[in-house]
Amino acid sequence: QVQLDQSGPRLVKPSETLSLTCAISGDNVSSDGVTWNWIRQSPSRGLEWLGWTYYRSKWYSDYAVSVRSRIIFDADTIKNQFSLHLKSVTPGDTAVYFCARGGPNTPVSVFQFWGQGILVTVSS
Amino acid sequence: EIVLTQSPGTLSVSPGERATLSCRASESVSTFIAWYQQKPGQAPRLLIYGAYSRATGIPDRFSGSGSGTDFTLTIRRLEPEDFAVYFCQQHGGSPPWTFGRGTKVEVK
Repeated sequence: QVQLDQSGPRLVKPSETLSLTCAISGDNVSSDGVTWNWIRQSPSRGLEWLGWTYYRSKWYSDYAVSVRSRIIFDADTIKNQFSLHLKSVTPGDTAVYFCARGGPNTPVSVFQFWGQGILVTVSS
Repeated sequence: EIVLTQSPGTLSVSPGERATLSCRASESVSTFIAWYQQKPGQAPRLLIYGAYSRATGIPDRFSGSGSGTDFTLTIRRLEPEDFAVYFCQQHGGSPPWTFGRGTKVEVK
């Protein structure tokens, strides 16, 4: 059974970088046929897909337009985890952040396994 | 990006009755619609993908239908654990993958 365990700070100051990590068990971050996604949820934006990263002989990432200029994903094959780094945060980035896996028994853009979610508050 | 509109915002249903939830896309998504259930403090749980395919372990009282722009999630004979918020998501074509704002199913 795949499990995703999220970690990271719950409070980030405005203009700083929000970094979260999703540790994977029951699968491998470089598995073929899967994608590793970040999704956030807030009352104002609802559920918002932030982007994905995946390995197909090399690493690929794609990001939502709303955050593309501020966001980077990376993956650590040794620790079997992937991370989100969102720069220059504002209070508008306050949300519950989820990591999620797409595929392989579903389409890669369908999310069957999710992390527990972390509420990140942006405030001074 | 594709906008998904869910209705109603809140649905009041008695246990044992049927619930019918709607999701409308701003343009055709073929049958690339998924449905999720979310309870307070939890991550969403995948119910349906490809408009009508049930995810592993999902009871057959959950069913999905539709194609193009109009989709329905039906829950027949609501159980106490089915009272939750339900989201649709489009998953075809290319990113971004978008979600509806949700329908809350509450006890009547």
